[in-house]
Amino acid sequence: GAGVSQTPSNKVTEKGKYVELRCDPISGHTALYWYRQSLGQGPEFLIYFQGTGAADDSGLPNDRFFAVRPEGSVSTLKIQRTERGDSAVYLCASSFGRGYEQYFGPGTRLTVT
Amino acid sequence: AQTVTQSQPEMSVQEAETVTLSCTYDTSESDYYLFWYKQPPSRQMILVIRQEAYKQQNATENRFSVNFQKAAKSFSLKISDSQLGDAAMYFCAGLNYGGSQGNLIFGKGTKLSVKP
Repeated sequence: GAGVSQTPSNKVTEKGKYVELRCDPISGHTALYWYRQSLGQGPEFLIYFQGTGAADDSGLPNDRFFAVRPEGSVSTLKIQRTERGDSAVYLCASSFGRGYEQYFGPGTRLTVT
Repeated sequence: AQTVTQSQPEMSVQEAETVTLSCTYDTSESDYYLFWYKQPPSRQMILVIRQEAYKQQNATENRFSVNFQKAAKSFSLKISDSQLGDAAMYFCAGLNYGGSQGNLIFGKGTKLSVKP
C-alpha cells in the first residue's frame, strides 16, 4: 500500500514569509507525528496527533509553529514569519497508535533565505 | 526525561563482514520500546528493527539483530553479511510506554560505510 507522503519535497522561502508543509499518512493510521531534523542530527519531536487532536505539542519551538489535522488524516504544519534557523528537513510519521512502529515520509527540506 | 546516546559518529565495514553499532537508552521507566532506523541519502527513515523492553529475547530481522542489555541500558545493532545497500545513517530511538508521550527520542546517529 501507499506509504506516508509529504509535499512539497523542497521549499525555498524568504525570511519572514509563511509556509505550509503537508503530510498524508498511511490509511488507517490514527497517530501522526511531526519531527524536525537539522543537518547532522537525529530527528527532534515537534507535535503528535491522535486522531484530530494534538495529544502532545510540547516540541513546538515557539508560537510561530502550528499544526492541524482537521479530519484525522492529512496534517499541515504551518510556520509563520520564517527565520533562517527554521531551515531543516521536516519529517512526518504515522502509526496505528502510541507504541506501534512509526512509518516516515520522505520529508520536506525547508530552506529560508 | 530520557536520553539516547550513540557514541560512534562513523563506522566502516567490509562487504560480507559483520558490524555492531552501539546505543544506550537512559530512562527511569521500566517499560519502553527501542528501535533502530536506517536513513539513506534519500532522507527516508526506514524501520530496521524493534525491541520491547519487557521481552528477554533479542529481536532479529534477517541479517539484523539486537543485543539488548537492560541493566546496562545498552541496545546494540548487529548487521551480518553486510551489503553495499546497508550504507546509510543509522539512528537508535526510544519510546517510553508510560505517560502520554508518543514521540520517539532519537540519538545523533552513526554513519555506516560499506567497502566493496
